[in-house]
Amino acid sequence: ELKVEQNPLFLSMQEGKNYTIYCNYSTTSDRLYWYRQDPGKSLESLFVLLSNGAVKQEGRLMASLDTKARLSTLHITAAVHDLSATYFCAVDIRVYGNKLVFGAGTILRVKS
Amino acid sequence: SQTIHQWPATLVQPVGSPLSLECTVEGTSNPNLYWYRQAAGRGLQLLFYSVGIGQISSEVPQNLSASRPQDRQFILSSKKLLLSDSGFYLCAWSVLGAGAEAFFGQGTRLTVV
Repeated sequence: ELKVEQNPLFLSMQEGKNYTIYCNYSTTSDRLYWYRQDPGKSLESLFVLLSNGAVKQEGRLMASLDTKARLSTLHITAAVHDLSATYFCAVDIRVYGNKLVFGAGTILRVKS
Repeated sequence: SQTIHQWPATLVQPVGSPLSLECTVEGTSNPNLYWYRQAAGRGLQLLFYSVGIGQISSEVPQNLSASRPQDRQFILSSKKLLLSDSGFYLCAWSVLGAGAEAFFGQGTRLTVV
């Protein structure tokens, strides 16, 4: 059974600081996704990582994938309040169509 | 461009009542379709996914069922709701292939009272 673990589950940080969210998964996969969810809202796709060593950047967020270590990271640079949200990673199991298994999510609060 | 519609946005239902949530996708053919549930403050649990009309895979035994009567329509149902069915229900779609991220509908917040 695939397990996807995120840590930390809750992150409170000051504006301007850097931090990294980690996503570990338990089985072979070369497709990993990061999503953002604002309170009471649906999920918004942030990054799609499709191969070992893939790195994607958008603004203050950068995601990377190491398939050998079964690890993805979401790095936040110089955090701003608008980044406050819950961030999920999801791993794709291609056993029958595409099937995404989500981590528990990381609640990020950026304080002014 | 592709869009996904999910309704209703909120729903309050008494215990024991039936449920029907509908999701439709526009602008794509033969999508993979998914129903997820999110309990308050929790992660997403995959309930059902479908790769084609009439093809439904259930992830966990529960009080819910799903149907796909048309290519771009996915319905989540229950004959008798339980209190534990409360949550935020999200429909999503993807297409089979590399980079096939899932795109989510706006969700239905269901409260069973």
